[in-house]
Amino acid sequence: GDSVTQTEGQVALSEEDFLTIHCNYSASGYPALFWYVQYPGEGPQFLFRASRDKEKGSSRGFEATYDKGTTSFHLRKASVQESDSAVYYCALGANSAGNKLTFGIGTRVLVRP
Amino acid sequence: SVLLYQKPNRDICQSGTSLKIQCVADSQVVSMFWYQQFQEQSLMLMATANEGSEATYESGFTKDKFPISRPNLTFSTLTVNNARPGDSSIYFCSSRLGDTLYFGAGTRLSVL
Repeated sequence: GDSVTQTEGQVALSEEDFLTIHCNYSASGYPALFWYVQYPGEGPQFLFRASRDKEKGSSRGFEATYDKGTTSFHLRKASVQESDSAVYYCALGANSAGNKLTFGIGTRVLVRP
Repeated sequence: SVLLYQKPNRDICQSGTSLKIQCVADSQVVSMFWYQQFQEQSLMLMATANEGSEATYESGFTKDKFPISRPNLTFSTLTVNNARPGDSSIYFCSSRLGDTLYFGAGTRLSVL
């Protein structure tokens, strides 16, 4: 079945560091890919999505590019802030509408001031 | 976007009891979804609920254990029957607008 793999369970950084969270997927066709962020005590918040090869999604300084060749959708941010400390989830939509999402295990990002 | 309000935000119950979680959307939505999240783990889709029809459950979740009602386009309830300590987790309702899913703040359930 469809699956999403996030290789980093936790990432610790200092402010202004560059952040990369790796996300690889396994699915047939062109699934929609998403990034969500979850702050403590809250539900996941939609960051952005992409649904075709080479499409770039971005929001709040975060970005990721859909790469069908490497089946990846890595999240990047050039300069993190303490307020970016949260759990980030890569997710895959069962179809282009993404009404059924398969989530990765999540990556906890801790940004030290 | 769509805003989803869940009630209660936290509950503690005894084993063997049942409890109900409510979810209200600020606009009409076709489908509502319920997710379960154990501490420090990812989200697992439990079921999909459309107005006026039986909910569709994912593998590992049953109607008897987690009955869901969807009486109109803005409201859904999830019931946890015969609660057990293994049901202790956070339950999220979710809804789709366009091709994006939005989530409520979650209900943290602790079963003693």
